[in-house]
Amino acid sequence: EADIYQTPRYLVIGTGKKITLECSQTMGHDKMYWYQQDPGMELHLIHYSYGVNSTEKGDLSSESTVSRIRTEHFPLTLESARPSHTSQYLCASSLTGPQYFGPGTRLTVT
Amino acid sequence: QKEVEQDPGPLSVPEGAIVSLNCTYSNSAFQYFMWYRQYSRKGPELLMYTYSSGNKEDGRFTAQVDKSSKYISLFIRDSQPSDSATYLCAMTTNAGNNRKLIWGLGTSLAVNP
Repeated sequence: EADIYQTPRYLVIGTGKKITLECSQTMGHDKMYWYQQDPGMELHLIHYSYGVNSTEKGDLSSESTVSRIRTEHFPLTLESARPSHTSQYLCASSLTGPQYFGPGTRLTVT
Repeated sequence: QKEVEQDPGPLSVPEGAIVSLNCTYSNSAFQYFMWYRQYSRKGPELLMYTYSSGNKEDGRFTAQVDKSSKYISLFIRDSQPSDSATYLCAMTTNAGNNRKLIWGLGTSLAVNP
């Protein structure tokens, strides 16, 4: 059973605000990922990290940024939220095999 | 053409039916194959994980990999209404540290009581 946590679960925020979505895992996984998913649509990888101080952009261009200062923590930041950022953001981690997902953060930007 | 093809459905079956979900792929280097289940507004949950070819069974679920045909399947026996969800296939190569998964679009399944 995977132990990966995301906060907040739901966030409604106004345009122009800075937000940070938190993701933590307690399994010691070295690899972590952020996906964006609109309702009923496919998963899009936006960021990933293969270890501390290592981050890469994913396949879908995103205005968000990430950091990996600690193995267990992989926060995602939007400097200035816009309505186009409204989506579900899913965090995942892995060690040698499959990825394990958190419950997601549903972001609405008004 | 996408590297992984999956029919999005929707697929609707009566309770107790055997469900067959499938994905095809084009990259012969894929070695690791996964099936995930995703309920509405939740994160994907790992169901089955197989390496290379063959079958793997876990309760009512059976995963099959046919590398010669580049085709993977997930079978659900005695389907239940609680199996209603979107099922996603995912796969990756055995390329060292690279663990990016290539995802199917997902198949929406409804099991009717």
